[in-house]
Formats: sequence, C-alpha cells, structure tokens
Amino acid sequence: EAQVTQNPRYLITVTGKKLTVTCSQNMNHEYMSWYRQDPGLGLRQIYYSMNVEVTDKGDVPEGYKVSRKEKRNFPLILESPSPNQTSLYFCASRATTVNQPQHFGDGTRLSIL
Amino acid sequence: QQQVKQSPQSLIVQKGGISIINCAYENTAFDYFPWYQQFPGKGPALLIAIRPDVSEKKEGRFTISFNKSAKQFSLHIMDSQPGDSATYFCAASLSYNTDKLIFGTGTRLQVFP
Repeated sequence: EAQVTQNPRYLITVTGKKLTVTCSQNMNHEYMSWYRQDPGLGLRQIYYSMNVEVTDKGDVPEGYKVSRKEKRNFPLILESPSPNQTSLYFCASRATTVNQPQHFGDGTRLSIL
Repeated sequence: QQQVKQSPQSLIVQKGGISIINCAYENTAFDYFPWYQQFPGKGPALLIAIRPDVSEKKEGRFTISFNKSAKQFSLHIMDSQPGDSATYFCAASLSYNTDKLIFGTGTRLQVFP
C-alpha cells in the first residue's frame, strides 16, 4: 500500500530535549515536505526537499532542521524544542510530474512543555 | 502577496444541502489551486484541483468555481452528506513548483442528518 509513514504519532517532551520525527514514503517520490498545522493558521511549510541531498526552507523553518540522505526518508529534527513548536506536524511526498498531488502522512502531535 | 484567505472558518449544513467554501488569493502568478479534505486523525488528502484556464471543474458532488479576474475560487459540495464532515483546505501554488503550496486557514464542515 502506497503510504507516507510518520513516527512517533504522539510525543510529549520538555524544552531543550532534542527530538527527531521520522518520515518514510514507499512511492519512490522525489519531493518531500514538512508542514505544521496550527488552529486558525492552516498548514505552513517548514522545509521541503526536491531529491536526495537537496533541501530548501519553506515559510517557517526557524528552529527546525532536516536531512535527505535517502530518497525514502526525510526526518525532521528539533535540536532544542521550545513550547512554541507545540503543533501537529505532517510529512508529505509527491512525484515529479507537474501538478502531481502531495500525499500526506497521518501526522505527529508534538507537545513541548 | 503569498496569502490565501479562506472563509468561513466553520460551516454547518443540513444533509442534502449545498456547502460552499470560498478562497481568495493575491499572487496572480499562482496557477494551480487544489482543495484538500482532512478527517480527524488523518492527513489532508487531495479532493479536487483546478487550473485557471477553466472556470469550473466538477467531480461527482464536488465542484470548483474559479474567477480569475476576482482572484477567487470556491468549493461547492452538492447534496452534502454526513460523511462529508471534515476540514477543508484550499491552497495555491505555481504549477511548476507544487511543493510550495500556500494553504488557506481551513473550514470545518459539519453535515447533520
């Protein structure tokens, strides 16, 4: 089954404790993205990647890092999480053909205390 | 200039009625306008999309109406069903870079029997 898998689905942690949210897709997609979803703000892009070793900032990249060492994986790293990063996070992937839709994972709910 | 404004924030419709969600954009360079549907606990999924060379696109009970001169587009759900209850997001991007999706703030639709 074609899917985008995020782990963990839920995480409660404390300020300053480094964490990584993993994202893996099995569709051989070149493009992958990370979004955060906050009430009243919709989805905002954090980072995206056009292929292995190629990443670029989205609209809200501050406080986040990403890496793309393999085509299928695109982890999101919070080096020093802060409470304002409490949010619902989504990973997405898509094929390179123009206008191909983004396929989203089921989300990771992060709470930073 | 990158914003996509979406209204209403929430919508309650009787079963069988018509649900209408509106979006407006500012960047005239946008040329790909998808709508995403999100159920609780799930990631957004592409529902229907339109490019500005057509004024309307219909897929089943879902129709996008597009007004290029007004820089507005809307989603119409005909014969709304309880199973349509979800959050709907409009979005816009440049078609050659659909990774840079700019999302609206979302509309929570509730359809009552």
